[in-house]
Amino acid sequence: KNEVEQSPQNLTAQEGEFITINCSYSVGISALHWLQQHPGGGIVSLFMLSSGKKKHGRLIATINIQEKHSSLHITASHPRDSAVYICAVSSNYQLIWGAGTKLIIKP
Amino acid sequence: DAGITQSPRHKVTETGTPVTLRCHQTENHRYMYWYRQDPGHGLRLIHYSYGVKDTDKGEVSDGYSVSRSKTEDFLLTLESATSSQTSVYFCAINPGTGTDTQYFGPGTRLTVL
Repeated sequence: KNEVEQSPQNLTAQEGEFITINCSYSVGISALHWLQQHPGGGIVSLFMLSSGKKKHGRLIATINIQEKHSSLHITASHPRDSAVYICAVSSNYQLIWGAGTKLIIKP
Repeated sequence: DAGITQSPRHKVTETGTPVTLRCHQTENHRYMYWYRQDPGHGLRLIHYSYGVKDTDKGEVSDGYSVSRSKTEDFLLTLESATSSQTSVYFCAINPGTGTDTQYFGPGTRLTVL
């Protein structure tokens, strides 16, 4: 069993829909990261969380340390949000990566 | 922009040939990483460096070696490339601010025929 599990693996939605991507982990962590990888391949760090919630534009990330679970939400989704979203956790001075969620937003 | 470049960006080579990928950073960050990314596996750590001439193995280090003779350059070498090493390779740096946030280079697509 992977230490970081993301769901769903693939998600297709219509423009304007509210999107939720989930990340569960089974190890003790000091922080959780959400990253975005665009179709061109570049990887960009979106959020680093150790508790609570963070918001940046239409993106919201939450974490529940007790439940070992984090969610990434996208409000008013747009085709340019189409990308792979990757969850990673900092544990024992290393990063453990989820396999990613491929999101496609149709106009 | 964390000032990370990778070269080459694309390479096609034959089984058994040596290949070296270069990661260059302009920010003098201490920590540098090499990952490979394959469908269904996400990012997997190959090797990392925590300073000049200080390197360590990641989870998929077999068949790879690294060198870091200068702060700005981290080289990944496949001594004898195999088809299983066909992948996209990403270099990353960690500014060492205590957050573990990593910044990624653009990637190198390597095909081993």
